Amino acid sequence: GAVVSQHPSRVICKSGTSVKIECRSLDFQATTMFWYRQFPKKSLMLMATSNEGSKATYEQGVEKDKFLINHASLTLSTLTVTSAHPEDSSFYICSASRGRRSSNTEAFFGQGTRLTVV
Amino acid sequence: GQSLEQPSEVTAVEGAIVQINCTYQTSGFYGLSWYQQHDGGAPTFLSYNALDGLEETGRFSSFLSRSDSYGYLLLQELQMKDSASYFCAVSHSGGYQKVTFGTGTKLQVIP
Repeated sequence: GAVVSQHPSRVICKSGTSVKIECRSLDFQATTMFWYRQFPKKSLMLMATSNEGSKATYEQGVEKDKFLINHASLTLSTLTVTSAHPEDSSFYICSASRGRRSSNTEAFFGQGTRLTVV
Repeated sequence: GQSLEQPSEVTAVEGAIVQINCTYQTSGFYGLSWYQQHDGGAPTFLSYNALDGLEETGRFSSFLSRSDSYGYLLLQELQMKDSASYFCAVSHSGGYQKVTFGTGTKLQVIP
């Protein structure tokens, strides 16, 4: 299967600072990447859809000014958590798909990033 | 919007068979996927059904009935390492093949 690399795997930051998380598709071009957030023992909640070369589409309730998403190339999307607060502590996971059609069935996930804001 | 329901917890004995059900409501349905997630890890893809019927991949099988908006994951010859959370997920129209996850089923395999 395809490989999606997410970095860093763990990060601890001080409240008020910003943290950038990278998501790279290593062996395919990802026209679309998705960013999820997962609370302990909960499901994955879609935060936004990252489209190469255009603005991200955010889900209802997700603050676009707080969670900045950039999809500058077909292999890289970044999520920046700005002015982080302890309630932003969570597991953030990206996934990538090869195309837009339903025939491409599998979502490839990064390893996830455990963010702790102190 | 989309909604998926699955049991929150299931316990089964090593070597047995377990079925995890998933019912969903969505518009623009493409298919139903299943993912496995161990504690602290990222989800890994198990199977996908776009058409009605059963798909078999080794010890795991997945079933879909689109008319009933229902699917299940069947795990056979359970092993201790199968203890994990299992998520069903619908692929649906949303501009870019969006995937919405269910609430997850925590499977505990006991000796």
